[in-house]
Amino acid sequence: GENVEQHPSTLSVQEGDSAVIKCTYSDSASNYFPWYKQELGKRPQLIIDIRSNVGEKKDQRIAVTLNKTAKHFSLHITETQPEDSAVYFCAASGASGGSNYKLTFGKGTLLTVNP
Amino acid sequence: KAGVTQTPRYLIKTRGQQVTLSCSPISGHRSVSWYQQTPGQGLQFLFEYFSETQRNKGNFPGRFSGRQFSNSRSEMNVSTLELGDSALYLCASSLNQQGHGYTFGSGTRLTVV
Repeated sequence: GENVEQHPSTLSVQEGDSAVIKCTYSDSASNYFPWYKQELGKRPQLIIDIRSNVGEKKDQRIAVTLNKTAKHFSLHITETQPEDSAVYFCAASGASGGSNYKLTFGKGTLLTVNP
Repeated sequence: KAGVTQTPRYLIKTRGQQVTLSCSPISGHRSVSWYQQTPGQGLQFLFEYFSETQRNKGNFPGRFSGRQFSNSRSEMNVSTLELGDSALYLCASSLNQQGHGYTFGSGTRLTVV
């Protein structure tokens, strides 16, 4: 089945700096890659997603890039703010077989933005 | 509009008991998934339903089961509870038939003692 590796597990940056979180996946048939943000004690919230027919997607200070050949995708947050502090999860979903209709999540990255 | 509603929010059960958790998806969403979240294992997929049909199931023992009703509401049941079943159980719903763009509920925190 699908396996998603996420790095780093913790990331500390200064306010205003950029943050990058990277994920790799194992199933070349995966075609949907969302990112979720989970603040302490709250539910995961979808912040951005990308499909396999797109290489990059941006939404204000957040961007995601996808390299299908290397089977990795990354989340980029620019001009970080203290409210960006949270755990970020990447995930992958396939289009057939056991990977269909399910998200396989990475282990998460705890991002801390220091004022 | 209302989000994904999960009840109850907190639950304490004794080993060997069974439990039923409920999820009401966003109105119009027909795809419903369940995930178990623990500090050690992260987010693990349990099942996915669409129009009352289970389309995929995760690697959990048969003690974990679920169903979806005609109004898209879903329930999951865990029988013969074990200490290791203590976790946050999250339900998510999607308007997309492929299950993209899931919105999560706030979860049910199950503690088994």
